Amino acid sequence: NAGVTQTPKFRVLKTGQSMTLLCAQDMNHEYMYWYRQDPGMGLRLIHYSVGEGTTAKGEVPDGYNVSRLKKQNFLLGLESAAPSQTSVYFCASSRDRGGSTEAFFGQGTRLTVV
Amino acid sequence: GQSLEQPSEVTAVEGAIVQINCTYQTSGFYGLSWYQQHDGGAPTFLSYNGLDGLEETGRFSSFLSRSDSYGYLLLQELQMKDSASYFCAVGHQAGTALIFGKGTTLSVSS
Repeated sequence: NAGVTQTPKFRVLKTGQSMTLLCAQDMNHEYMYWYRQDPGMGLRLIHYSVGEGTTAKGEVPDGYNVSRLKKQNFLLGLESAAPSQTSVYFCASSRDRGGSTEAFFGQGTRLTVV
Repeated sequence: GQSLEQPSEVTAVEGAIVQINCTYQTSGFYGLSWYQQHDGGAPTFLSYNGLDGLEETGRFSSFLSRSDSYGYLLLQELQMKDSASYFCAVGHQAGTALIFGKGTTLSVSS
């Protein structure tokens, strides 16, 4: 029972490079979220999706793009990485809206931009 | 906009009771949740309050007062393994987005 799987777990990028983080869930959840976590800043919402084919901006969307072409996958893209995007990225999914049901998190992707 | 305020750190000893408060300001409020995160790990769900009152789950309880925009997490019979970060989160924009506070680091000592 995999739950939420994030790929990759670690990555080092050079400034200006691009990359895509993949989040896959096997629970048939409608809602999916991407967060970044920095020391002292908690979890900040980047983008989220309320169903296949939908995306919406969260608290800190600049410099990121997302896509939800399939219900089980939510991709986070960095078109031109910057050192300020060094962070731990978490993906999460939930069956229903807004925390009314448990949100399940992946194990995180630790990204360093040099 | 939206904001959640919770203390940054709390310390306690084993066997004690600790309360972590959370005040929030958000549009389209859709309930208050609590998550636990151990160092380097993924956050895990603890509880949810959609209506006013107290919800109890074992040693943990959570409370919500929507009129005061306030909630708390109560941890009883503290154990060393409860040392972790605790986050309150609100369902924002009629619940479509889940927004987190900055977290409270709980340190439990023997």
